[in-house]
Amino acid sequence: ETGVTQTPRHLVMGMTNKKSLKCEQHLGHNAMYWYKQSAKKPLELMFVYSLEERVENNSVPSRFSPECPNSSHLFLHLHTLQPEDSALYLCASSPFMGAEETQYFGPGTRLLVL
Amino acid sequence: DQQVKQNSPSLSVQEGRISILNCDYTNSMFDYFLWYKKYPAEGPTFLISISSIKDKNEDGRFTVFLNKSAKHLSLHIVPSQPGDSAVYFCAASPTGNQFYFGTGTSLTVIP
Repeated sequence: ETGVTQTPRHLVMGMTNKKSLKCEQHLGHNAMYWYKQSAKKPLELMFVYSLEERVENNSVPSRFSPECPNSSHLFLHLHTLQPEDSALYLCASSPFMGAEETQYFGPGTRLLVL
Repeated sequence: DQQVKQNSPSLSVQEGRISILNCDYTNSMFDYFLWYKKYPAEGPTFLISISSIKDKNEDGRFTVFLNKSAKHLSLHIVPSQPGDSAVYFCAASPTGNQFYFGTGTSLTVIP
């Protein structure tokens, strides 16, 4: 399998649930990203990891907890989410961090919080 | 406040004609710009980029124009093909760690 994969593709959860989103890249990249896309809003960067170290955290609430155990895998752990957290969550990777490094996106996880 | 704006949510163009997608930005520190294309149920895919030292970059049917004084970016597709029907996002970065995206323009190319 090649490219960036994300599981699950769809997720419905209650506000008291704990769930995790998984992202895997098979491109040998060193940087990975989580983005959130809410309806009629632009993609918002949530977290950036470079060589498994978190280098960017864009004021994301603590109910979102990222984990990068190795350069191929990225998780987003979710707990006590709110209905306004319902969105498309996209993972991306790039060879390295940097403006001129093309980011390759996964298909996204469509999350609905009830 | 959005730093990258795509004011046209949708655009329809006849096959064979030119498609022009526009993007405006507010931050004069942005120095690298990209266009992504997204099909339904897929993630965005990189299309073309331009750095602020250039005003034009061309790749086959796709050309991106940058007008720094107007803080305006445009993507030209010519000739447009039905397979180009997708949502197009522009993005801009001041540093490389953070990209700011527009809300997208949905292009429909009519056969």
